[in-house]
Amino acid sequence: QLQLQESGPGLVKPSETLSLTCTVSGGSVSSTSYYWGWIRQPPGKGLEWIGSIYYTGSTFYNPSLKSRLTISVDTSKNHFSLRLSSVTAADTAVYYCTRLEYSGGWYPGYWGQGTLVTLSS
Amino acid sequence: QSVLTQTPSGSGTPGQRVTISCSGSSSNIGSNAVNWYQQLTGTAPKLLIYRNNQRPSGVPDRFSGSKSGTSASLAISGLQSEDEADYYCAAWDDSLNGCVFGTGTKVTVL
Repeated sequence: QLQLQESGPGLVKPSETLSLTCTVSGGSVSSTSYYWGWIRQPPGKGLEWIGSIYYTGSTFYNPSLKSRLTISVDTSKNHFSLRLSSVTAADTAVYYCTRLEYSGGWYPGYWGQGTLVTLSS
Repeated sequence: QSVLTQTPSGSGTPGQRVTISCSGSSSNIGSNAVNWYQQLTGTAPKLLIYRNNQRPSGVPDRFSGSKSGTSASLAISGLQSEDEADYYCAAWDDSLNGCVFGTGTKVTVL
């Protein structure tokens, strides 16, 4: 059974860099069939796609975050990571890692439980 | 910033049918399949419908989806108390090269 687990600091200071890792178990980030992605949800609000990565390192980023965003994959550790720089209060959200599957279009099929990241000085 | 538009809320008594709509554009729903997610309070979204009308294993058949042009809908028949949740539609967007989500619909069981 595939499991995705987000990890990283729950508190980040404004202007610093938010870093999260998603550890994959019961599956492989090296699979040729899937992309791996990040989605976030500010408290009380809707879902926002952040970006996704293939095992080769090929990425798609949300244009609104692209200048601050880096998503990477480490096949040896079977995990992928998110780095978002110069964070502000608007980046406070629950961050979910997901596995994207393809059926008529890519979609998040499996989700991690999510991790809340709060911006606070 | 949600790209797909949903009715903000819906409600019904147990056993009734509730329908949720989702409107997009040619670059997302018009070009790709629609997927639906159920989010219970305090939990991660769960895939409910993929490829417009397909149910993952374990999803009851009282959940059904459909798509026409640049719009889609999710129907919940035989509404149950455990269906009280937020529901989101989603589709891949060819212009964004990313997944776009609906504004979300809160379903209340009266």
